[in-house]
Amino acid sequence: QKEVEQNSGPLSVPEGAIASLNCTYSDRGSQSFFWYRQYSGKSPELIMFIYSNGDKEDGRFTAQLNKASQYVSLLIRDSQPSDSATYLCAVRLGGSYIPTFGRGTSLIVHP
Amino acid sequence: NAGVTQTPKFQVLKTGQSMTLQCAQDMNHNSMYWYRQDPGMGLRLIYYSASEGTTDKGEVPNGYNVSRLNKREFSLRLESAAPSQTSVYFCASEVVQGGATEAFFGQGTRLTVV
Repeated sequence: QKEVEQNSGPLSVPEGAIASLNCTYSDRGSQSFFWYRQYSGKSPELIMFIYSNGDKEDGRFTAQLNKASQYVSLLIRDSQPSDSATYLCAVRLGGSYIPTFGRGTSLIVHP
Repeated sequence: NAGVTQTPKFQVLKTGQSMTLQCAQDMNHNSMYWYRQDPGMGLRLIYYSASEGTTDKGEVPNGYNVSRLNKREFSLRLESAAPSQTSVYFCASEVVQGGATEAFFGQGTRLTVV
């Protein structure tokens, strides 16, 4: 069982809607959490990182972290077709230096 | 500012051949990583280097070796390629400073072993 879990999707949302992507992780002592976006055939791109419980906003993106429940979410407001991509969650599990990636969630935003 | 540069972008090898994937970053990052990405498996860490002169195994190191030649360059070597090593390989570099993480991936190498 992967230590960082994501629903593979695809998650399909209409243009303008809020897309909600979720990620759970196994180690309660984890401290650093990351969201990457990967377009088909391209390399991953870091879009958000979060270290503290609560919300962190950057433009249309909000990362939400709940350490007690061991999940981190990414909300994309006013979704656009250009947001269609695979979103990868990565966590530095426990005291580990290296990030462990989930398998990614495919997001499709349809006009 | 080129970021992270990987070469080659595409490669076809015969079983048993060897090759080296090159990676260089110009952002003065301490940490560098090699990942492979297979359908349905996500990114799996092969090797990483926390700083110049150090390397450590990741989740799937068998069949690979690495060299951190200097702060800029981190190469991945396949000594005797096998079909199971057919994959997309990504190099990445990272730095954490001022409470923020900066991380970049190279454009990837698509390797096919026949």
